[in-house]
Amino acid sequence: DSGVTQTPKHLITATGQRVTLRCSPRSGDLSVYWYQQSLDQGLQFLIQYYNGEERAKGNILERFSAQQFPDLHSELNLSSLELGDSALYFCASSVAWADEQYFGPGTRLTVT
Amino acid sequence: EDQVTQSPEALRLQEGESSSLNCSYTVSGLRGLFWYRQDPGKGPEFLFTLYSAGEEKEKERLKATLTKKESFLHITAPKPEDSATYLCARPPGGSYIPTFGRGTSLIVHP
Repeated sequence: DSGVTQTPKHLITATGQRVTLRCSPRSGDLSVYWYQQSLDQGLQFLIQYYNGEERAKGNILERFSAQQFPDLHSELNLSSLELGDSALYFCASSVAWADEQYFGPGTRLTVT
Repeated sequence: EDQVTQSPEALRLQEGESSSLNCSYTVSGLRGLFWYRQDPGKGPEFLFTLYSAGEEKEKERLKATLTKKESFLHITAPKPEDSATYLCARPPGGSYIPTFGRGTSLIVHP
């Protein structure tokens, strides 16, 4: 158990819908990362927050947004969902902004 | 574009048959390299951080090494429970985003 929690574990929704994924980092970690993992793409970095501020951005679609709250938990919002958004979404956290990351168990999103 | 490339993509070993996985990178100004283990459907599990050329880290049957251009994960006398995908990654730094390799899928047969 890494200490990073993610909810929900599984999510099944229809195209065009909007969902919110939630992540709680390890105690003491200030940085949160979001990744998407699909079979053909590997682990793709989406976005990183450090102590509430956006720190780095990867190939995150405009339909996706995230934020980190004052209590350091983070949410990833996915809207206008498409079939191709079906994937595992992982949250990770680290103490500082470039340290080793500890990953949560992931949320498996299925868009039908 | 910064790249992290892992080879081989897949590796099948017999129990006890030692081997090495490779991670090469074209990133500039590398500030460390991470190794992770990932089991199917689960989040990657942190294994090692290497910061400078010549550095080595060990954990049970695994040893990670780093040169100026590549890193190796050596697996000595592997067991079936070592079967997993092994990922290497560069951390974020400056204007660079965290970048993961595609991984090496290791299967160890009893």
